[in-house]
Amino acid sequence: DAKTTQPPSMDCAEGRAANLPCNHSTISGNEYVYWYRQIHSQGPQYIIHGLKNNETNEMASLIITEDRKSSTLILPHATLRDTAVYYCIVRGTDKLIFGTGTRLQVFP
Amino acid sequence: NAGVMQNPRHLVRRRGQEARLRCSPMKGHSHVYWYRQLPEEGLKFMVYLQKENIIDESGMPKERFSAEFPKEGPSILRIQQVVRGDSAAYFCASSPRGTTGNTIYFGEGSWLTVV
Repeated sequence: DAKTTQPPSMDCAEGRAANLPCNHSTISGNEYVYWYRQIHSQGPQYIIHGLKNNETNEMASLIITEDRKSSTLILPHATLRDTAVYYCIVRGTDKLIFGTGTRLQVFP
Repeated sequence: NAGVMQNPRHLVRRRGQEARLRCSPMKGHSHVYWYRQLPEEGLKFMVYLQKENIIDESGMPKERFSAEFPKEGPSILRIQQVVRGDSAAYFCASSPRGTTGNTIYFGEGSWLTVV
């Protein structure tokens, strides 16, 4: 599975959009980009995933660049409950390999 | 549709005892994954199972740890002769199939404390 690079931490004001970047320059054509988050002491929560096209669901939007070497997770209106560690994972095999993620702190 | 169910949520064992952690996958899911998260560390893959088969155990410690997913019943992660270093959160996840486009869903975890 391709390696991902994420900033270790980010801040976001409540009500504003949170844009979390992820670099995956060695991604292969059949590898998906997955995003999960882990709120303290809870199990990882699936957010969204995509292959080539941008994706949107009730939680977030995923923007994948045309060359697929990077992506951005967008939480359109961040709330305090969105404070968590966010993991960007490139999945080319059966399992998910977690990195260190981005610790997002949403402040009032 | 119930999510991935893990029990017990919290387990305390004395050094040398055995710990058994159970995981019931989501309905219709036949693939199970186990992960371990040590205090203040990231999630580490341990093992991937289908019904009655271990597919990938590359993350399992070579000794004392075993996993099974029988034809009937939950998946079991078994830790024999526990040591303090086994104290961690153990997360189970499931998916309907093992292909890369199928979403993997996680349970809330089992917290093992070895005293």
